[in-house]
Amino acid sequence: AQRVTQPEKLLSVFKGAPVELKCNYSYSGSPELFWYVQYSRQRLQLLLRHISRESIKGFTADLNKGETSFHLKKPFAQEEDSAMYYCALRPGPAQKLVFGQGTRLTINP
Amino acid sequence: EAGVAQSPRYKIIEKRQSVAFWCNPISGHATLYWYQQILGQGPKLLIQFQNNGVVDDSQLPKDRFSAERLKGVDSTLKIQPAKLEDSAVYLCASSLDIGRDRQQFFGPGTRLTVL
Repeated sequence: AQRVTQPEKLLSVFKGAPVELKCNYSYSGSPELFWYVQYSRQRLQLLLRHISRESIKGFTADLNKGETSFHLKKPFAQEEDSAMYYCALRPGPAQKLVFGQGTRLTINP
Repeated sequence: EAGVAQSPRYKIIEKRQSVAFWCNPISGHATLYWYQQILGQGPKLLIQFQNNGVVDDSQLPKDRFSAERLKGVDSTLKIQPAKLEDSAVYLCASSLDIGRDRQQFFGPGTRLTVL
């Protein structure tokens, strides 16, 4: 069965410091990996996906198949990055998303 | 474009009562999803529709939960009778049915409290 683990429920860093939100997954095939974000009083929305290899709002994430990880990183945190972040896995294009438990990121001024 | 719409936004009921949630997906999106998000957890898929057919309902507690999407557009999710553990946010999402993208767009959710 697919499983996504986000080991940190809460993460607090100072503005300007680097940020890394951890995500590990278990799946025997080659899944699609995503990061979703939910800002206060807003809808859950896609932040980035591994197949795009893009940087969104300064965030990047690299899929490490050997370590089965998909950590989210940003070199310099901003206050507006405070939000709930969910890592998600999808075994195939037409299949369901499996979400981790989420990490609440707080950026302190 | 208009996003996914859900109603009501909040609902408080007593255990053993019934409740229904409504979702209107983004126009043209063939696939519709219902997720349950219990406090402190990530969303969990309850049921996935493609047009008006069920693709995956493996995690839907069918003894009390039901969902339909009769005309392949709007959908309703019903709980009858509700239990305390059904307290959660119920999210609806929709996606296009094209290629590998299939990005899911989420609605605002319905927060259900069962007393």
